[in-house]
Amino acid sequence: NAGVTQTPKFQVLKTGQSMTLQCAQDMNHEYMSWYRQDPGMGLRLIHYSVGAGITDQGEVPNGYNVSRSTTEDFPLRLLSAAPSQTSVYFCASSYSPVGNTIYFGEGSWLTVV
Amino acid sequence: KNEVEQSPQNLTAQEGEFITINCSYSVGISALHWLQQHPGGGIVSLFMLSSGKKKHGRLIATINIQEKHSSLHITASHPRDSAVYICAVRFISNFGNEKLTFGTGTRLTIIP
Repeated sequence: NAGVTQTPKFQVLKTGQSMTLQCAQDMNHEYMSWYRQDPGMGLRLIHYSVGAGITDQGEVPNGYNVSRSTTEDFPLRLLSAAPSQTSVYFCASSYSPVGNTIYFGEGSWLTVV
Repeated sequence: KNEVEQSPQNLTAQEGEFITINCSYSVGISALHWLQQHPGGGIVSLFMLSSGKKKHGRLIATINIQEKHSSLHITASHPRDSAVYICAVRFISNFGNEKLTFGTGTRLTIIP
């Protein structure tokens, strides 16, 4: 049981490049989400999914795309990286959105130059 | 406006001291989470509360729904407790809109 696996841990991108942050969980959780963490701010929700085939926007969705083709995987795509997307990204999953323990990935440190 | 505020922002204490970290929120909630973020960045869920009090080892979390306030206590603090502690809430107004609002965290440093 690996929990939430998030890759890569570190990445440097040039402005305009695209990339995908991978997130996988092996706990059969329906609810998965992506957050970004910036200095002095709380975690902010980018996109979330309540089950395979269902995704929705969070607080800061612009510049990001997600899909949920399986229960296990929830990749986050940066379509055309911008310096404002330099941040630490966390994937999280839980059995339900509210009443259960939330499991986080280890984080991905992304720098856009 | 749905807001979450934590205090203090930074806390330094001696090993063995009793620690209290506070979280206040602006309107009614259905759930509150306490999280711990280690210096390496990983985030671990400590508690989920909707009422009352929970205890796990040296950690105690309480919530007062009427006063819109929660506290996280650490008894007999130890240097390994040094971390950022984050409060996150699900506001009732977000029902059907499955989102958590996070505080900015309290950085705790325990000195041996």
